Amino acid sequence: EPEVTQTPSHQVTQMGQEVILRCVPISNHLYFYWYRQILGQKVEFLVSFYNNEISEKSEIFDDQFSVERPDGSNFTLKIRSTKLEDSAMYFCASMSGAGNEQFFGPGTRLTVL
Amino acid sequence: RKEVEQDPGPFNVPEGATVAFNCTYSNSASQSFFWYRQDCRKEPKLLMSVYSSGNEDGRFTAQLNRASQYISLLIRDSKLSDSATYLCVVNYRSGGYQKVTFGTGTKLQVIP
Repeated sequence: EPEVTQTPSHQVTQMGQEVILRCVPISNHLYFYWYRQILGQKVEFLVSFYNNEISEKSEIFDDQFSVERPDGSNFTLKIRSTKLEDSAMYFCASMSGAGNEQFFGPGTRLTVL
Repeated sequence: RKEVEQDPGPFNVPEGATVAFNCTYSNSASQSFFWYRQDCRKEPKLLMSVYSSGNEDGRFTAQLNRASQYISLLIRDSKLSDSATYLCVVNYRSGGYQKVTFGTGTKLQVIP
């Protein structure tokens, strides 16, 4: 069964460093999302991506964040200068079409020291 | 009013009990509805879609009430393995793209 994959599973970084979180969505899906979840808190929407551009972003997704789909398979989230409060689980999700269910990757746990 | 609201719980129920969760949504143009299950430190996984006519999958029943703008999830004969957080998800079309909104989740703990 096709699945969304994410790498790495755990990333530890120093405050101020750049990190790139990688996702491979399900191959025929059209809509892509990043979410984050701070330990013990709710799933928070970061950004959605459709037709090679950002379709929506939340207040969390400030200038330190960017997304790319460089080659038609990978979907990346970059955090330019990490802060302590960026420590969280980051989930990628993809969706085949409008109104369908999302499929989530297993997440990347980001720890900023 | 929040776009999607859920009682965070926790709901502590004995094994074998029936438990129901509600979720209200604010946008009357919402088109599709889902219940996801999230285990601790894991990704959300689709439990079931919610259809207008209501739908059942084994011990789980989902219903949609468009007039009152809520969806519900009923779990019969609760098992210990049902312990998880249940997330309500609502989709609607906004400005040419699909907006997906999550509720905060309802935590269920099934007790032996």
